[in-house]
Amino acid sequence: GQQLNQSPQSMFIQEGEDVSMNCTSSSIFNTWLWYKQDPGEGPVLLIALYKAGELTSNGRLTAQFGITRKDSFLNISASIPSDVGIYFCAGQAYIYGNKLVFGAGTILRVKS
Amino acid sequence: GAVVSQHPSWVICKSGTSVKIECRSLDFQATTMFWYRQFPKQSLMLMATSNEGSKATYEQGVEKDKFLINHASLTLSTLTVTSAHPEDSSFYICSAPRSGTGVNTEAFFGQGTRLTVV
Repeated sequence: GQQLNQSPQSMFIQEGEDVSMNCTSSSIFNTWLWYKQDPGEGPVLLIALYKAGELTSNGRLTAQFGITRKDSFLNISASIPSDVGIYFCAGQAYIYGNKLVFGAGTILRVKS
Repeated sequence: GAVVSQHPSWVICKSGTSVKIECRSLDFQATTMFWYRQFPKQSLMLMATSNEGSKATYEQGVEKDKFLINHASLTLSTLTVTSAHPEDSSFYICSAPRSGTGVNTEAFFGQGTRLTVV
């Protein structure tokens, strides 16, 4: 089915570094959501974005809703070991009803 | 804390038996809930939309007689995997959108259920 283009697929970074990942689509979305999933757990909502251009922070996390409404990015500043996990973007669009469309995920590994 | 609770977190069953998984919204009512299946290192695959008071709608390729969904109340949806086979072994996750103003919603996920069919 429809999926968002999420990149990078995986990252292996040094503790303390900043991290950036993004999602793009050919379709316009009304809502962008960013999730983190730890092994054996369900995804946990990190940030929700509702307006084009919106920039929202949650601690060391910052996400933006692209002006074109076709993309979003997530930044993590000063990464720490517990940031390890899989990060998913998800979008909602009227044409998909109330269903979420997901990116393939970004696997984050941190070297301590 | 969790706003969507899923139970059990893991289950092992024998081939041919049925398994029920529960999904509860804890502090809000959810007229709609979603059931996903996730394979290792892959994204979430939507299986079906659970609608309170009416039939679930299934995604293409998902057998409705195999994966029975019941949304009996505004806070509970159940997924029953009937006559389970080893190929049904997977991680099943539910989600419930909590409505804000207008059409904007936040979707919260349960903890997931690891099903192993032996």
